[in-house]
Amino acid sequence: RKEVEQDPGPFNVPEGATVAFNCTYSNSASQSFFWYRQDCRKEPKLLMSVYSSGNEDGRFTAQLNRASQYISLLIRDSKLSDSATYLCVVNMETGGFKTIFGAGTRLFVKA
Amino acid sequence: EAGVAQSPRYKIIEKRQSVAFWCNPISGHATLYWYQQILGQGPKLLIQFQNNGVVDDSQLPKDRFSAERLKGVDSTLKIQPAKLEDSAVYLCASNIRQQVLYNEQFFGPGTRLTVL
Repeated sequence: RKEVEQDPGPFNVPEGATVAFNCTYSNSASQSFFWYRQDCRKEPKLLMSVYSSGNEDGRFTAQLNRASQYISLLIRDSKLSDSATYLCVVNMETGGFKTIFGAGTRLFVKA
Repeated sequence: EAGVAQSPRYKIIEKRQSVAFWCNPISGHATLYWYQQILGQGPKLLIQFQNNGVVDDSQLPKDRFSAERLKGVDSTLKIQPAKLEDSAVYLCASNIRQQVLYNEQFFGPGTRLTVL
């Protein structure tokens, strides 16, 4: 089983749609969680951190469920510019520091 | 503020040749990471430095890959000899030292390596 698993995608949605991505992690020692966005042939960039209480940034909402070991990202009112790959990132400290990226979920938003 | 710099941006070599990549992190960032991203996959951490010391290199294939950060600033990643499966984008990232677990990583544009 992979340490971080994401919805395989791709997701094809029309503009204005609401789309949700899920990510599960296997190590209960995981301590911090992030969503990064990666445009085609570009480097990853931080989209948002994920907190236990849930957090929102405009049209984006991230949730963490430690008991079930998953995080989610909700995008409301999708824009064409949201088309990208969304990477789930988990950090843990288990004797040493470890950063694990998921494989990413590709989103295509169409007019 | 200048971002993470990497060079070269592209490199094409034949298998069994050697190659080196260079990274200069954001000024003041003590932590530096090298990742390998194969097409269709997420970045895989190869090595993490804190200043000039190695924090984690558990996923670095040490028989062919090496990395150094001698003065705690810029870093070099080398592959010798290269194999076909090393074709990937090599990403460098950095973040500030304090509370590394909770801080954003800033990525460079990457070096796209093709091994023929």
